[in-house]
Amino acid sequence: NAGVTQTPKFRILKIGQSMTLQCAQDMNHNYMYWYRQDPGMGLKLIYYSVGAGITDKGEVPNGYNVSRSTTEDFPLRLELAAPSQTSVYFCASSYSTGYTDNSPLHFGNGTRLTVT
Amino acid sequence: TQLLEQSPQFLSIQEGENLTVYCNSSSVFSSLQWYRQEPGEGPVLLVTVVTGGEVKKLKRLTFQFGDARKDSSLHITAAQPGDTGLYLCAGNTGTASKLTFGTGTRLQVTL
Repeated sequence: NAGVTQTPKFRILKIGQSMTLQCAQDMNHNYMYWYRQDPGMGLKLIYYSVGAGITDKGEVPNGYNVSRSTTEDFPLRLELAAPSQTSVYFCASSYSTGYTDNSPLHFGNGTRLTVT
Repeated sequence: TQLLEQSPQFLSIQEGENLTVYCNSSSVFSSLQWYRQEPGEGPVLLVTVVTGGEVKKLKRLTFQFGDARKDSSLHITAAQPGDTGLYLCAGNTGTASKLTFGTGTRLQVTL
């Protein structure tokens, strides 16, 4: 019962470096999401995907890219890291739109990223 | 962009006390969810409310959706240390990209 697995758990980047945050789910969910969580700001949607090969922008997509080549994996790419991208990043998945008790969002445990 | 304001931001109470957390917006939502998040983990769904005026109970937690579907409350009776965490409300306007999360209420329950 792995659910949603995120790696790494922690990462420190220097300004301008790039990295990929990995996310994998083993529940055969169609929908996957990337959120960032900043103190006192709730969760903001970065990108989402409704199935393999389909991705779309959320509320705060600038500075990020995603791909969805398989149902299981949904990596998030930071190309030129900036201090404003210091945050905790959460990946989530759901069977359908996820907005019912029968199809909740399942979150990973997050990646804490610091850009200095 | 819909905004969901939660109050209070922080709450520190003793075991056995009652408390209410509020989630307010000027927007109408088709449904609203409550999540609890513990340190170092992702949020976990507690409940979804769909109908205006709906009340749902989960043991000592009571959730209510406002009649106009713009606000919600979470009431905890006889709080326990295990209730400690960050409580997040999230409103849905009906599409995958439109689940808006509130600002969160951090609850600490001490012995």
